[in-house]
Amino acid sequence: AQTVTQSQPEMSVQEAETVTLSCTYDTSESNYYLFWYKQPPSRQMILVIRQEAYKQQNATENRFSVNFQKAAKSFSLKISDSQLGDTAMYFCAFTRTGTYKYIFGTGTRLKVLA
Amino acid sequence: NAGVTQTPKFQVLKTGQSMTLQCAQDMNHEYMSWYRQDPGMGLRLIHYSVGAGITDQGEVPNGYNVSRSTTEDFPLRLLSAAPSQTSVYFCASHPGALETQYFGPGTRLLVL
Repeated sequence: AQTVTQSQPEMSVQEAETVTLSCTYDTSESNYYLFWYKQPPSRQMILVIRQEAYKQQNATENRFSVNFQKAAKSFSLKISDSQLGDTAMYFCAFTRTGTYKYIFGTGTRLKVLA
Repeated sequence: NAGVTQTPKFQVLKTGQSMTLQCAQDMNHEYMSWYRQDPGMGLRLIHYSVGAGITDQGEVPNGYNVSRSTTEDFPLRLLSAAPSQTSVYFCASHPGALETQYFGPGTRLLVL
């Protein structure tokens, strides 16, 4: 069975600094997708970034980038130039071919300090 | 587009009561899912649907029923509410397998 692990329940970072959130996953599949979702205090789940496993290039969206290490089954999220609006819960998620199910990690609560 | 909508936003039930959480999407997505979010446990899949008339169980289906009579709507029914069902419930939809999910704003349910 696939699992997604986020080992950092809480993190904090100073405004304008860089922070990296960790995510590891376990699968024997070769074709899968990984996602990072942000959940601000409003509770709305918002997609931050996604990565296709067959792509070697790490995905980037503005200040957000991932470090995808397929062999190590690691999918970390780097937030550069952190802003107060980045304060949120961040969830890592996984899905693979042959299923319609998405598996989520337990989340990392990030607080950006002024 | 309104995206994914959920009603109500907040509900208080007494143990044993039944209710239906509504979910609708206007993006013509085939796939829809229900999750519950509990502290320290992330999002857990309750039920999902791959199209009108087709549903299947997720990780934590006990105590919940679903049906999908139209592409747009995917209601979640609690037949006899229990305090263990106190949670925040999210509905999500996506256009195809491996695609990004779009989430509703959530329903906070408190069962006394």
